[in-house]
Amino acid sequence: LAKTTQPISMDSYEGQEVNITCSHNNIATNDYITWYQQFPSQGPRFIIQGYKTKVTNEVASLFIPADRKSSTLSLPRVSLSDTAVYYCLVGDDYKLSFGAGTTVTVRA
Amino acid sequence: GAGVSQSPSNKVTEKGKDVELRCDPISGHTALYWYRQSLGQGLEFLIYFQGNSAPDKSGLPSDRFSAERTGGSVSTLTIQRTQQEDSAVYLCASSAGTSGGPNEQFFGPGTRLTVL
Repeated sequence: LAKTTQPISMDSYEGQEVNITCSHNNIATNDYITWYQQFPSQGPRFIIQGYKTKVTNEVASLFIPADRKSSTLSLPRVSLSDTAVYYCLVGDDYKLSFGAGTTVTVRA
Repeated sequence: GAGVSQSPSNKVTEKGKDVELRCDPISGHTALYWYRQSLGQGLEFLIYFQGNSAPDKSGLPSDRFSAERTGGSVSTLTIQRTQQEDSAVYLCASSAGTSGGPNEQFFGPGTRLTVL
């Protein structure tokens, strides 16, 4: 499993854009990059997944440079309800390693 | 439709007792996963089912842990002779099990296990 490194915590304010960068220097050719979100006392929830370039859905964007050694999750105009732990995962099949994640705290 | 459900939501047991944790995946999902999450930590992979078979049991911490899945649906995680270090939230997830990259995993609310 490719090892990922992401910040332990980030603070933001309502209405701002939050960008979380994840490093995965030893990503393999077949690996995808997946992000999950977890609220307290709940199971994680899928946010977005990509292989290369940029992926966008209704809640986030995922930017992946050409070398794929890092990726950035972008959350536009965050609200208080976006306060959660965000996990960056790299893998090609069922076995994904959830590390400690990034705790994002959104303040009013 | 219904999501992944787990029961019980909370379980308090005494050291040395056996416990069974149940997971009902989303209907039609062939893949099922068990994870463990200790307080303030990330998720620890335990076991993966594809249908009724478990091709990967590599995450089970010891032989006190076992899991089965019947009828390609419900799964039970059993912990025998529980120890205090088994205290954690046990999370179950299911996915469609299709090929072409990691499937989106849908998680249940978890079972909080406390071993006294």
